[in-house]
Amino acid sequence: DQQVKQNSPSLSVQEGRISILNCDYTNSMFDYFLWYKKYPAEGPTFLISISSIKDKNEDGRFTVFLNKSAKHLSLHIVPSQPGDSAVYFCAASGDDKIIFGKGTRLHILP
Amino acid sequence: DAGVIQSPRHEVTEMGQEVTLRCKPISGHDYLFWYRQTMMRGLELLIYFNNNVPIDDSGMPEDRFSAKMPNASFSTLKIQPSEPRDSAVYFCASSFNLIANTGELFFGEGSRLTVL
Repeated sequence: DQQVKQNSPSLSVQEGRISILNCDYTNSMFDYFLWYKKYPAEGPTFLISISSIKDKNEDGRFTVFLNKSAKHLSLHIVPSQPGDSAVYFCAASGDDKIIFGKGTRLHILP
Repeated sequence: DAGVIQSPRHEVTEMGQEVTLRCKPISGHDYLFWYRQTMMRGLELLIYFNNNVPIDDSGMPEDRFSAKMPNASFSTLKIQPSEPRDSAVYFCASSFNLIANTGELFFGEGSRLTVL
């Protein structure tokens, strides 16, 4: 049973537009939610996180929104750039564990 | 710091052979995680250690898989005997004081395993 779900395997967005990646979770006990970015042949790298007591966290072009009642979070990238093409993993942290979703491959189109 | 170091980067072996993957975490980190990435299941947590002690191995697929952490600077993940369905990229990650931080992990570059 997947506790963290990313239902879109891939997403294509025009350069300069907004990219929105979505994630759902099932466990209300998670303390933090994180997004990781992964390029081919590299390990995932931390991108941005949000505490379960907040509903928004912003870092430059990246903003994460958390809707606790819906158990849903999203990552907004604006404006999207070619270097943003990668696989994005949503993750949830709690009870000394970090659970990842399956990932969404983002393609930024020229 | 050199980051999390994994070896080998690539391993091709035949079914039935023993495979050993190695990981050196970032110095000072007290948590070490082994993950497996496949197309079907994404990033699965296999096992993690805190201060060299295995805390949760519920993600280890079966008895063919074992992991050890003999000291704070080294861990191994062993598969014996290996099977084609074990083909995946295996990641090691480390972290410091997981309970106090947000859960940020530092990943190695991964070991791509192909079992023929």
